[in-house]
Amino acid sequence: GAGVSQSPRYKVTKRGQDVALRCDPISGHVSLYWYRQALGQGPEFLTYFNYEAQQDKSGLPNDRFSAERPEGSISTLTIQRTEQRDSAMYRCASSPGQPSPLHFGNGTRLTVT
Amino acid sequence: SQQGEEDPQALSIQEGENATMNCSYKTSINNLQWYRQNSGRGLVHLILIRSNEREKHSGRLRVTLDTSKKSSSLLITASRAADTASYFCATDELRQAGTALIFGKGTTLSVSS
Repeated sequence: GAGVSQSPRYKVTKRGQDVALRCDPISGHVSLYWYRQALGQGPEFLTYFNYEAQQDKSGLPNDRFSAERPEGSISTLTIQRTEQRDSAMYRCASSPGQPSPLHFGNGTRLTVT
Repeated sequence: SQQGEEDPQALSIQEGENATMNCSYKTSINNLQWYRQNSGRGLVHLILIRSNEREKHSGRLRVTLDTSKKSSSLLITASRAADTASYFCATDELRQAGTALIFGKGTTLSVSS
């Protein structure tokens, strides 16, 4: 596609449920990043991939969070046993490589009730 | 973790005035980028400046980088109401494997007509 696509745009889930957030990067982009953004704050780094390899997951808050990019294209961020504090905008970005500008998707707004 | 820190947190100016935002960071970097975000929407890349560059221009934008002071500034000249947005600096932080782009908390710019 023309840009980075994230789905769903909005997700409301009950505490304790698992959620999977999807990111479809720009075709051919090597690097894929996941960020979390609270209202009024800057994007908080979670993890990133080069091709299918997860290069750094040190930004993932705890072991309930995981991400994968099995074929080096689409990525899924999974949050298990969601908690209210997980509520935020989750943003995905991709780039042709490093250093390059990041192209951001419109994000997934996650609300945990 | 957040590497860059923007200053001021908020800035209000009149149309036609210049806006200057500053970014300070902590560790050595290879490059620094500036992004704009309109009202909670996706982030848009503005400009990338490498560590061996001191100044870069793009249209009404001027970015400077002082690696000795670990700081950068973004100048928007002849501001317009459409420049109203949050502006973030992002630096590449050396991680365990490769580098990750880490964002600051941002400056909220309000341009009134």
